[in-house]
Amino acid sequence: QAVLTQPPSVSGAPGQRVTISCTGGSSNIGAGYDVHWYQQLPGTAPKLIIYGNSIRPSGVPDRFSGSKSGTSASLAITGLQTEDEADYYCQSYDISLSGCYVFGTGTKVTVL
Amino acid sequence: EVQLVQSGAEVRKPGESLKISCEGSGYSFTSSWIGWVRQMPGKGLEWLAVIYPGDSETRYSPSFQGQVTISADKSLTTAYLQWSSLKASDTAMYYCVRLIGAAGSFLFDHWGQGSQVIVSS
Repeated sequence: QAVLTQPPSVSGAPGQRVTISCTGGSSNIGAGYDVHWYQQLPGTAPKLIIYGNSIRPSGVPDRFSGSKSGTSASLAITGLQTEDEADYYCQSYDISLSGCYVFGTGTKVTVL
Repeated sequence: EVQLVQSGAEVRKPGESLKISCEGSGYSFTSSWIGWVRQMPGKGLEWLAVIYPGDSETRYSPSFQGQVTISADKSLTTAYLQWSSLKASDTAMYYCVRLIGAAGSFLFDHWGQGSQVIVSS
């Protein structure tokens, strides 16, 4: 069902910067729908960390940032910390098939 | 504080029925969409369905239309997800979510703790 493509994994040492891409198409991100990002720590429910492409909810560290361009979006984590090791998912809306809330395939971030 | 509290883990046999629940609190239950997201073991997130408790309007993912039924009880501020005949492939963690947004931007801003469903003979 996932129509948004993410890399399966990214890794970095503590303090480094990593980016996660989220590639969609003309019926979702390219149609102008916003992208949102969720962090899922091991064994827990997902948590919203970026909404409206680039806005951080209250309490989310400013080392997390988001951007969107064309049919893609990106999540960047600067100053990587061990507690950032988690799965990350992008999410948007797709106008095809009568409308659908779609997730990305997910990316595992490993802190080396 | 918005809270979504889900019912506990369930173990059923194939062919059995099941209804899991999610109680919302800390917000106007009838003024926000509420729904369900599935996560199969070791896999990603999939949206199943949402309901607007104010008027019981429902929306289903095409992948899950006819496979599950979403409902809500306004008086109990509780949403439900039910199956009439479970399959082994329904084994997964199911998350209750609140959906917010307007034209161009729809997101799941709050999540329940998850309800584990295991279907095994």
